[in-house]
Amino acid sequence: AQSVAQPEDQVNVAEGNPLTVKCTYSVSGNPYLFWYVQYPNRGLQFLLKYITGDNLVKGSYGFEAEFNKSQTSFHLKKPSALVSDSALYFCAVRDRGSGNTGKLIFGQGTTLQVKP
Amino acid sequence: KAGVTQTPRYLIKTRGQQVTLSCSPISGHRSVSWYQQTPGQGLQFLFEYFSETQRNKGNFPGRFSGRQFSNSRSEMNVSTLELGDSALYLCASRPSDTLGNTIYFGEGSWLTVV
Repeated sequence: AQSVAQPEDQVNVAEGNPLTVKCTYSVSGNPYLFWYVQYPNRGLQFLLKYITGDNLVKGSYGFEAEFNKSQTSFHLKKPSALVSDSALYFCAVRDRGSGNTGKLIFGQGTTLQVKP
Repeated sequence: KAGVTQTPRYLIKTRGQQVTLSCSPISGHRSVSWYQQTPGQGLQFLFEYFSETQRNKGNFPGRFSGRQFSNSRSEMNVSTLELGDSALYLCASRPSDTLGNTIYFGEGSWLTVV
C-alpha cells in the first residue's frame, strides 16, 4: 500500500532561520510527490511538486524540496523562515494504484510555527 | 483565472438531514475530486469525476455520493447526516487525467452536524 509519513507533528523555528519539514513516502514505482500549505480556516494551497528530473524542486513563496530516492524522502525546505510561513503543511503522493485518477494520499500534516 | 470555487462555505445541519455541496473547478479543468478533512482522520479522498464519469471512489459509505455536470461543475451529497460527518469538505480540480497534473484545491465547505 502506498503511504506518506510526516514524522513531526510540529516544527518550531525562529524567523530568519532555515526550516525543514520532513516527509517520507512508500510507493510502488516512480512517485509523484506534492507539498501543500493550509492556513487557518482555508483550503490547501499548492507549493510544489516532483514528477521527474532534478531532485531539487523550487516552488512558491521561496520554498523548495529535495527528492531523495534512496531515502524515500521529500523534505520541504526554506532558507530563511518568515512568521507568515506559520501554517499546516501537508505532503502528498499520487496514488499510482488507481490508474490515472487524481487521488492523493496525504500525510497527517506538520504544523510549522515561526517565532519572531 | 479564478480558482476552485466552493459553496456554501459554512453550513450547519441536523443529524438525519441531507446536504449538497457545490464545486466549480478552474476554467478548462475537466477533473474534479472531493476530500474530507477531519482532525482525527486527516485528509481522505472521497471520489473523483472526469468528464461526468466517476473514476475512483474512496472508502466511504454509500451515503456519500457525487456527480459532475457537462460544464465540469460538481456536487457532492451526503444523506442521513451523522455527527461524524462534521468536517471540512474540499474540492479539487486538475486539467486532465495526466498523472503529472497539479491538483488545485478550493477553500472548502465547513459542515457542522448537530
